[in-house]
Amino acid sequence: AQSVTQPDIHITVSEGASLELRCNYSYGATPYLFWYVQSPGQGLQLLLKYFSGDTLVQGIKGFEAEFKRSQSSFNLRKPSVHWSDAAEYFCAVVLYNQGGKLIFGQGTELSVKP
Amino acid sequence: GAVVSQHPSRVICKSGTSVKIECRSLDFQATTMFWYRQFPKKSLMLMATSNEGSKATYEQGVEKDKFLINHASLTLSTLTVTSAHPEDSSFYICSAPGTGNTEAFFGQGTRLTVV
Repeated sequence: AQSVTQPDIHITVSEGASLELRCNYSYGATPYLFWYVQSPGQGLQLLLKYFSGDTLVQGIKGFEAEFKRSQSSFNLRKPSVHWSDAAEYFCAVVLYNQGGKLIFGQGTELSVKP
Repeated sequence: GAVVSQHPSRVICKSGTSVKIECRSLDFQATTMFWYRQFPKKSLMLMATSNEGSKATYEQGVEKDKFLINHASLTLSTLTVTSAHPEDSSFYICSAPGTGNTEAFFGQGTRLTVV
């Protein structure tokens, strides 16, 4: 069955420190993967997406993610976190053979210490 | 990119009343739209798939009679929460698939509070 797992429910990092949010997926075909960010009370903002090609994808706000097929992972990284990055982060896979619905991970809440 | 407009962004209603949420594709046609629900501090779960010109498909455990979905045209899908109760309070968000169903275009979401 298709699934997305984000092992870390909550992560706290210091401002200026590096960040890595983990995401593992289970999907029988070539996955199309996404990372979204959600600020409190807000909707979803797309950070980046992986369809094919270069396994290291660049997104907005200085984020990047690396697709590793052998590990079924799509981890999100940022070299230097800013206080404004505090938010909820969701990894998702699109089921393109089922009309395009998304399966989301549980989400990781990021807190940033000054 | 494609734009999906969702209204209202926030709504407060009394228990027992009904609330309608609209989701419009502004610059493209969407034969399919997805409705998700997000409980506080939780992830987004697919509630149903709306299909233009046919009945919606509901996920297991979602009450069809409580969450009425209508896809009246190629640009409009609506979700009506009927006889709302406080436990229906949630964040509801719609999305339309992109070309090839390989990405999703989300509305802004609706925060429903039932008092």
